[in-house]
Amino acid sequence: EVQLVESGGGLVQPGRSLKLSCAASGFTFSNYYMAWVRQAPKKGLEWVATISTSGSRTYYPDSVKGRFTISRDNAKSSLYLQMNSLKSEDTATYYCARLTQQWSPYFDYWGQGVMVTVSS
Amino acid sequence: EIVLTQSPTTMAASPGEKVTLTCRASSSVSYMHWYQQRSGTSPKLWIYETSKLASGVPNRFSGSGSGTSYSLTINSMETEDAATYYCQQGSSYPPKYTFGAGTKLELK
Repeated sequence: EVQLVESGGGLVQPGRSLKLSCAASGFTFSNYYMAWVRQAPKKGLEWVATISTSGSRTYYPDSVKGRFTISRDNAKSSLYLQMNSLKSEDTATYYCARLTQQWSPYFDYWGQGVMVTVSS
Repeated sequence: EIVLTQSPTTMAASPGEKVTLTCRASSSVSYMHWYQQRSGTSPKLWIYETSKLASGVPNRFSGSGSGTSYSLTINSMETEDAATYYCQQGSSYPPKYTFGAGTKLELK
């Protein structure tokens, strides 16, 4: 059974940093692109970052580029999201998700999510 | 950048009623994917590549469409179908993914 379990969320002040982790199990982690998707309170879904199977290629939307860094450790089947210079608009539940890298990619498994609150 | 517009924003359906949710893309896309999110839970892949049901999805659900217009249909509404449904499209090169704002489907 595929499982994705996020951790590392919490309350952080604006301008500070936070690192999220995602522990994967039930599949060969190194074979899949992985991603982070977030959801602000009472809002829709927003893609945040994607990483290739080896970790050599990373992709971000403009809203987080230069502030967030996605990484992975295939030996530990773990995914990470380093978030720097946090803003109030980064307040959201962050989901780790597995990507099916087809011509039109989609997210076939999601974690339970971890809440990040950016506030003074 | 492709924008996905879902309609309606909110709707209510009675048990047994046929339901159709729509997702329109600002430019033509190859496929559309759909997710179900029940209150307080994480999203689940529901329909992928326009018309393929994800594992465990009841066959009262179906997906269709092409180009800029896609839809998710529930043949006969059931209580457990009350949720928010999101459409999503993606590109591989470069990787980029867009979600619609969601349709909240309530039980009448």
